[in-house]
Amino acid sequence: EVQLVESGGGLVQPGGSLRLSCAASGFTFSSYWMSWVRQAPGKGLEWVANIKDTGSDKYYVDSVKGRFTISRDNVQNSLVLQMNSLRAEDTAVYYCARRGHFWSDYYSAYYYGLDVWGQGTTVTVSS
Amino acid sequence: DIQMTQSPSSLSASVGDRVTITCRASQSIYNYLNWYQQKPGKAPKLLIYAASSLQSGVPSRFSGSGSGTDFALTISSLQPEDFATFYCQQSYSSPYSFGQGTKLQIK
Repeated sequence: EVQLVESGGGLVQPGGSLRLSCAASGFTFSSYWMSWVRQAPGKGLEWVANIKDTGSDKYYVDSVKGRFTISRDNVQNSLVLQMNSLRAEDTAVYYCARRGHFWSDYYSAYYYGLDVWGQGTTVTVSS
Repeated sequence: DIQMTQSPSSLSASVGDRVTITCRASQSIYNYLNWYQQKPGKAPKLLIYAASSLQSGVPSRFSGSGSGTDFALTISSLQPEDFATFYCQQSYSSPYSFGQGTKLQIK
């Protein structure tokens, strides 16, 4: 069964740090880009970061650049989001997701969508 | 950065109705557009990628259309399990922004 399981969420004070992990199973982890997406309480989805299959390229939303670091271990099949200098506005459910790649014969191009998601882990930043 | 705007923000409909949700990008994203469904307390589920391609296992009553800046998600005949929040997302360029969501409620 294809599965992603997040862990590491919790309550942290403003300015603190937290390390989220995502364990992947049931697919060839090293063949996929991976992403983190978050959802603040009662709000919509926000893409946070993604990382290339090899780990060589990483991209972030502006609001977390310089504070969050995405990384992966293709031997342990795990994805990590290291979150530093946390703010109240970082409070959210954090999901890890697999970036699926789909080939279109019609357009002769690959398309990408988040096709496998974890259950989410809750991060609360509060004093 | 590309901004994604969905309309309406909420919608009430009945089982059997045909509904359409629209999504507009702030610049052309060609057909790099995904649609997701999210039910309360659950992770989102990919419905459509490349604007109109149905993800494996998704019922055929869901369809997507559009290109450039204007897109639509249509549900041809609403079923009880379809009531949820729907999000569009552009996969053209980083950051891969989502729309603000459309909550579909039972009338």
